[in-house]
Amino acid sequence: DGGITQSPKYLFRKEGQNVTLSCEQNLNHDAMYWYRQDPGQGLRLIYYSQIVNDFQKGDIAEGYSVSREKKESFPLTVTSAQKNPTAFYLCASSHTGDYGYTFGSGTRLTVV
Amino acid sequence: KQEVTQIPAALSVPEGENLVLNCSFTDSAIYNLQWFRQDPGKGLTSLLLIQSSQREQTSGRLNASLDKSSGRSTLYIAASQPGDSATYLCAGANSKLTFGKGITLSVRP
Repeated sequence: DGGITQSPKYLFRKEGQNVTLSCEQNLNHDAMYWYRQDPGQGLRLIYYSQIVNDFQKGDIAEGYSVSREKKESFPLTVTSAQKNPTAFYLCASSHTGDYGYTFGSGTRLTVV
Repeated sequence: KQEVTQIPAALSVPEGENLVLNCSFTDSAIYNLQWFRQDPGKGLTSLLLIQSSQREQTSGRLNASLDKSSGRSTLYIAASQPGDSATYLCAGANSKLTFGKGITLSVRP
């Protein structure tokens, strides 16, 4: 079955570390997205990519980086510059244009 | 800038009740509006997608409507069940997808 796979499900980061969250899709979608979810704040867009080797900042890109070397993969790196990284991270994908989004099951990142 | 609002933030109803969840948005130039369900600690599951040219979509006990002129969408759940307990989010798509904060629904047996 087609879908989006996020890994790991839980991730713990020490102060000053960079960590990378994986997102893979086999839906043949062109566009991929990263969202951050915090209690009471809803989902906020971090980065998105509409085509391989191209990506754009969302509303809260500071302290994050991404790459899009393959159509199927859109990893997110949470850098040490992100001062409050504890959150639930969701990856999504869609066809470009007037189509709906499909979401992965999320990664919960905790700073220890 | 698109803003999406869902009120109330939480709702508790007895089993069997028909209910309506509301969603309002500020920019009517949306491509589509999508309703999602989120269970605690889980990702988002798409429930219904309404294209900008459509007025409603139905799936089983769920019916979603879209009125772009008034900036409103509603999700109607018929004959609610305890298994419907979850957070329901609406999202409007312009150049990107903008979410409301969600409505946490509790259906009491």
